[in-house]
Amino acid sequence: DADVTQTPRNRITKTGKRIMLECSQTKGHDRMYWYRQDPGLGLRLIYYSFDVKDINKGEISDGYSVSRQAQAKFSLSLESAIPNQTALYFCATSDPEGSGGPTDTQYFGPGTRLTVL
Amino acid sequence: SQQGEEDPQALSIQEGENATMNCSYKTSINNLQWYRQNSGRGLVHLILIRSNEREKHSGRLRVTLDTSKKSSSLLITASRAADTASYFCATGSGGSNYKLTFGKGTLLTVNP
Repeated sequence: DADVTQTPRNRITKTGKRIMLECSQTKGHDRMYWYRQDPGLGLRLIYYSFDVKDINKGEISDGYSVSRQAQAKFSLSLESAIPNQTALYFCATSDPEGSGGPTDTQYFGPGTRLTVL
Repeated sequence: SQQGEEDPQALSIQEGENATMNCSYKTSINNLQWYRQNSGRGLVHLILIRSNEREKHSGRLRVTLDTSKKSSSLLITASRAADTASYFCATGSGGSNYKLTFGKGTLLTVNP
């Protein structure tokens, strides 16, 4: 979805390096999410933010940190990358104000493929 | 931990056939959604069914939900080669801390 962009799209780095993945959205949504996807494991939630002042850990937050710089921007950092953080990372946004109650349909960015050597 | 679990893990059919994928979950939900992912790309929302609904249609997609069995199915009719993708179910629950939990997906291959 072009309304959610991620940079970089691909990154190769070495163990111990600090890495930042960035996500920007033009959908005007308050809620933003970071997931990682590994083969055979589906998507797992790393962190999520329901507004600029709200940050919550997901199921696999260890080794990661996030920053919500503005409604439109949500960054994921790996302070000291390790090989088992090699994965496909997705940012997503959602708007809970759908008709009939919260729907939380999510809109995904194109992903960042991260390789840690 | 994943809430939804898709079955089968992989499905291969011929163009024109119908494809059925199933999703089972463990706890009560507000809604259940299906997403599609083309290889290496972001997920795209297909359809949402609320916990008080039993069936929903969108084009060639038909979704059913059985809350007593904690299961859902996604039917794609008259499949096309372009339907080749991974399909994920996601369950929505949690009240004010509402978020989705994704399953591991079904890889559908439609052979021309």
